Amino acid sequence: GDSVTQMEGPVTLSEEAFLTINCTYTATGYPSLFWYVQYPGEGLQLLLKATKADDKGSNKGFEATYRKETTSFHLEKGSVQVSDSAVYFCTIRGTYKYIFGTGTRLKVLA
Amino acid sequence: GAGVSQSPSNKVTEKGKDVELRCDPISGHTALYWYRQRLGQGLEFLIYFQGNSAPDKSGLPSDRFSAERTGESVSTLTIQRTQQEDSAVYLCASSFTARGREDTQYFGPGTRLTVL
Repeated sequence: GDSVTQMEGPVTLSEEAFLTINCTYTATGYPSLFWYVQYPGEGLQLLLKATKADDKGSNKGFEATYRKETTSFHLEKGSVQVSDSAVYFCTIRGTYKYIFGTGTRLKVLA
Repeated sequence: GAGVSQSPSNKVTEKGKDVELRCDPISGHTALYWYRQRLGQGLEFLIYFQGNSAPDKSGLPSDRFSAERTGESVSTLTIQRTQQEDSAVYLCASSFTARGREDTQYFGPGTRLTVL
């Protein structure tokens, strides 16, 4: 069945460091791909999405590119801020069901 | 506009009691989802509604769990004879459609269930 594997955390970075959170998936066909973020004490929010191969989703300085050949959707940001500290979930949607990764906790230190 | 709302926000119950959790999706959203998030873990899919029907109940952990949706709106997740292992945050999400461009899910704040 469909599955998502993402980088285990926690990831601790200094402010302005470069961030990569790896995500790979297994799915039939061409699923839509998402990154969701959960800030401390808040609900899940959509961060970005991509719906077809080579699409790049971007938001708040974060980017992820839909790589069909490597079945990956890695999340990147060039310069993280303390306010980016949160848990990030890689997600795929197959036919209708959403499959979430286990989440990667990011902590950014000032 | 109004987002997805859930009630109660917190529920503490005794083992063996029944609980009902409510979800009000965004108006006009035809797809509705329930998830469970145990402490420090990812989201576990429970059930999906398209309109008032549930084509996929495969994620429900046991027959103590049931859910319904009426009027293509409100949904209720019921847990009978609660067990301590049911303690978790129960999240509801809705989307305009389940497939296609408008498939982005919007999440409610969740109901934190604690079974003593």
